[in-house]
Formats: sequence, structure tokens, C-alpha cells
Amino acid sequence: AQSVAQPEDQVNVAEGNPLTVKCTYSVSGNPYLFWYVQYPNRGLQFLLKYITGDNLVKGSYGFEAEFNKSQTSFHLKKPSALVSDSALYFCAVRDGGNAGNMLTFGGGTRLMVKP
Amino acid sequence: DAGITQSPRHKVTETGTPVTLRCHQTENHRYMYWYRQDPGHGLRLIHYSYGVKDTDKGEVSDGYSVSRSKTEDFLLTLESATSSQTSVYFCAISGGLAKANNEQFFGPGTRLTVL
Repeated sequence: AQSVAQPEDQVNVAEGNPLTVKCTYSVSGNPYLFWYVQYPNRGLQFLLKYITGDNLVKGSYGFEAEFNKSQTSFHLKKPSALVSDSALYFCAVRDGGNAGNMLTFGGGTRLMVKP
Repeated sequence: DAGITQSPRHKVTETGTPVTLRCHQTENHRYMYWYRQDPGHGLRLIHYSYGVKDTDKGEVSDGYSVSRSKTEDFLLTLESATSSQTSVYFCAISGGLAKANNEQFFGPGTRLTVL
């Protein structure tokens, strides 16, 4: 079975400071990893994904994530946080050998960026 | 929201009544999914479809059924609603003409309250 853990329910950061939202995963095959963001009363929006290749993945709105196979992690990062980045962030994993593109989501981390 | 609509957007119903939620897409994507979102649980897969009339169960399928008679429509039915089915329901799509390992795109959600 595949699983995702987001160990922090909430992350607080000051505007302009770097931010990190943590994600660890467990999957039997090759991991396909995704980050999504959810703003209030909206659906999830895709930010970035890792399928293969370079361990550092760049995505939308200046976000990036680093795939670390040995630590089974896929942390989301941004060099300089904006107040508008405040939202709920979800990490998700799929087994690369799993037909049907089934995703397993973490419980979510609320990011609060304070002015 | 990537050509995905959900209806209704909000619904209040009573325990024991049947409820049907509709997801409609204009992207001609092969895969469609129904998730529920509950605090602390992230998103959990209810059912998914990999083509017209082809559906399968997800992680939390008990009490739910689905149907897909056309590529563009995926219906979720609660045969006899219970208070534990109070949740926000999201539809997602994936797997268009591009490469196989696509991200999923989400609809705006339906907030269902069962009294």
C-alpha cells in the first residue's frame, strides 16, 4: 500500500522568508509525486510533480520541490514567501506501476504567511 | 478549473434520502474520480472511472455508487445519505492526449450536509 505523511498541520512563516512544507512517502514501486494547493472554497490546483529526472522540480508561482529517494521525501520550498501563498497544501503519491493513475494524498498542511 | 463543473455546489439533505452529485468535463479526459475531503484526512478516493461504463472502487466506497454513461459525465450517488457522509466532494479528471503520467485536475467541489 502507498501512503503520504505531512507531519506539520500548520507552518507559519514571515513574508519574505523562505518556506518549507514537508512530505514523506511510502510506495512499493517508483514514486510519482505531486504537490497541490487549495485556496478557501476552491478545488485543488496542481503546483508541480516529480516523475523522473532531476531531483529538483520547479513549478508554478515560484515553488519548487526536492525529491530525496534515500529519505523518501518530497519537500515543497519557496525562497521568499508571499502573504498570498497562505493556503492549504497537499502532497500526493502514486506508484509508477499502478494502473489507473490512483493518487494517495497526505492530510494537508496549512501555510500561514504573516506580513 | 480545467473545464470541470460540479452540480450542485451546495446541498443540504436529510438522513435516508438519495442524493446524486454530477461532474461534467469538457476536456475529453479518460479518467474521472470522486474524492471526499474531511479535516485531518486530506482527500480520499471514493470511486473512479477509466472509461465509459468502466468504474471501480476506491478507498472509501461503502455507501456510494457511480455511473458513467458518457465520457463527459460522472455521477456519484448516495443511495441513502447518512450524517457521516457530510463532507466536501471533489471530482477530478486526468489522462488526456498527453503523456500517461498526468496530474489530476479538480473541480470546484460540492459541499454536502446530511442532517
